[in-house]
Amino acid sequence: DGGITQSPKYLFRKEGQNVTLSCEQNLNHDAMYWYRQDPGQGLRLIYYSQIVNDFQKGDIAEGYSVSREKKESFPLTVTSAQKNPTAFYLCASSPETGRSSTGELFFGEGSRLTVL
Amino acid sequence: GDSVTQMEGPVTLSEEAFLTINCTYTATGYPSLFWYVQYPGEGLQLLLKATKADDKGSNKGFEATYRKETTSFHLEKGSVQVSDSAVYFCALSDSGYSTLTFGKGTMLLVSP
Repeated sequence: DGGITQSPKYLFRKEGQNVTLSCEQNLNHDAMYWYRQDPGQGLRLIYYSQIVNDFQKGDIAEGYSVSREKKESFPLTVTSAQKNPTAFYLCASSPETGRSSTGELFFGEGSRLTVL
Repeated sequence: GDSVTQMEGPVTLSEEAFLTINCTYTATGYPSLFWYVQYPGEGLQLLLKATKADDKGSNKGFEATYRKETTSFHLEKGSVQVSDSAVYFCALSDSGYSTLTFGKGTMLLVSP
């Protein structure tokens, strides 16, 4: 089945450690996104990528890094510089790029990161 | 900048009750509008969308009409079910590139 796979589903990290969240899609979508979800805050955009080897910062990129070496993969690294990393992280993709896109996103099931 | 405001939850209803979740937006251009739904422990799924003024999006008994004059996109359903219990997000896409701006979400709890 086509879809977006995020792993791990749950992750615990000690303060000061970097951690990488995986996002893989087999939908052949060009665009991929990372959002962070906090209770009562809605979703906030961390990074997005329209094409391989290119990505842009979203609204809350500080303390995060990404790479897009393959079309189907868009891993997110939460670095020790992220002050409050405990959150639910959602990866999404879209077949549409450019200013004509309608904004429909396909989401993975999310990864819950807890910093101990 | 763009923003989306939703009514705060939780919204608590009995089965078969009428549902309205209010959503208003601020955008500089002519945005596309969306409702996404998130069931417990899952990612978001697109529920419905409207891309221009006066369009009505509909799916699974839910409806929302794009009202440019009131900058609103309220979600309605005539008769809710227990299985509709979830968090509902209103969102807009104004700048293209699928970078959505989301509201904070409204939790709906439906009891039998």
